[in-house]
Amino acid sequence: GAVVSQHPSRVICKSGTSVKIECRSLDFQATTMFWYRQFPKQSLMLMATSNEGSKATYEQGVEKDKFLINHASLTLSTLTVTSAHPEDSSFYICSARRGGFSSGANVLTFGAGSRLTVL
Amino acid sequence: QKEVEQDPGPLSVPEGAIVSLNCTYSNSAFQYFMWYRQYSRKGPELLMYTYSSGNKEDGRFTAQVDKSSKYISLFIRDSQPSDSATYLCAMSFGNDMRFGAGTRLTVKP
Repeated sequence: GAVVSQHPSRVICKSGTSVKIECRSLDFQATTMFWYRQFPKQSLMLMATSNEGSKATYEQGVEKDKFLINHASLTLSTLTVTSAHPEDSSFYICSARRGGFSSGANVLTFGAGSRLTVL
Repeated sequence: QKEVEQDPGPLSVPEGAIVSLNCTYSNSAFQYFMWYRQYSRKGPELLMYTYSSGNKEDGRFTAQVDKSSKYISLFIRDSQPSDSATYLCAMSFGNDMRFGAGTRLTVKP
């Protein structure tokens, strides 16, 4: 089955520093990757959609300069939270979609999530 | 009106009960319908997906899609305490994917 690895699973940083989260599709090539933010007991909030080799499309209200997304290859996307502040503390989850025409191609596979705590 | 409506619960049932989880949606263009299970502090994991209308069964889980009513369901038979989690419905058309709010389910021993 499709597997998505997300790293790190947990990170604590000081206010003002930048944090990078990686999302890798391990056994398939992901044409599209998505980044979500989730607050406790709430549903997923889509932050941005990234296609390999092109700029990410951000959802309304998400700061592009704050949350830098790079999708340099078909198996790797990164989210960098720049100049992090305590209000950026949250659970960040990536997902990947294979695309194409095979069965299940449009189904999303999620990473395990990354819990960011900004002190 | 939200594109996808899902009752957030919480829903509490005794072990062995049949659980019914539902979502309604407004966009008739949606073609893929999915159910994800999310344990606390973990990423969602895919339970089942269905293309277009119909039923799909996998062990204790049955997914139903009624496109004419814009209504999807997930049934869990013989529910177990390990089924306690948040269940998210999701649907997509092309690059557009929408999630329900998630229903928190607790199965009590």
